Amino acid sequence: QKEVEQDPGPLSVPEGAIVSLNCTYSNSAFQYFMWYRQYSRKGPELLMYTYSSGNKEDGRFTAQVDKSSKYISLFIRDSQPSDSATYLCAMSEDGNKLVFGAGTILRVKS
Amino acid sequence: DTAVSQTPKYLVTQMGNDKSIKCEQNLGHDTMYWYKQDSKKFLKIMFSYNNKELIINETVPNRFSPKSPDKAHLNLHINSLELGDSAVYFCASSQLAGGPYLYFGPGTRLTVL
Repeated sequence: QKEVEQDPGPLSVPEGAIVSLNCTYSNSAFQYFMWYRQYSRKGPELLMYTYSSGNKEDGRFTAQVDKSSKYISLFIRDSQPSDSATYLCAMSEDGNKLVFGAGTILRVKS
Repeated sequence: DTAVSQTPKYLVTQMGNDKSIKCEQNLGHDTMYWYKQDSKKFLKIMFSYNNKELIINETVPNRFSPKSPDKAHLNLHINSLELGDSAVYFCASSQLAGGPYLYFGPGTRLTVL
């Protein structure tokens, strides 16, 4: 079993839809939780960062961490074609060594 | 201004050759990394350097040797390249005091024939 599990998709939604992306993990020592976005042929870029449990909102993006269930989510409201990318969850115990999920490919159709 | 840059962007070479990838960051970060992304997009850490000192060395073949001449540069040298080394290699940097934010370079797409 991988330390971090993420459905690779692809997930295809119409423009304006609410998108839900998820990861599960097995290491209860993870304290730092991140979402990265990667466009085709580019490096990943940090989208959201949460320390420990709880919610965090930034514009159209909301990140949720449920440590009791070992489950994290990223919600995208009013999705746009420009949101089409691969979304990678990442986690860390100490903030230094990040463990990434396999990434979910998202396609937003106009 | 490019924050994390890598050269070359593409590298096509024959099995058995030795090649190097260079990375530079102008963010003033203390920590630099090499990550490997395979064909299934799985991103896995290889090495991490903090102020020129190796702090993470994952299970990577000895053919891979990182070198950090100063805290703004981290190079990756690969000896005796194998078909399985084909992947995209990403350099990244972070300032640990600010949290585990990684700034990635654009990647080097290595193809071994």
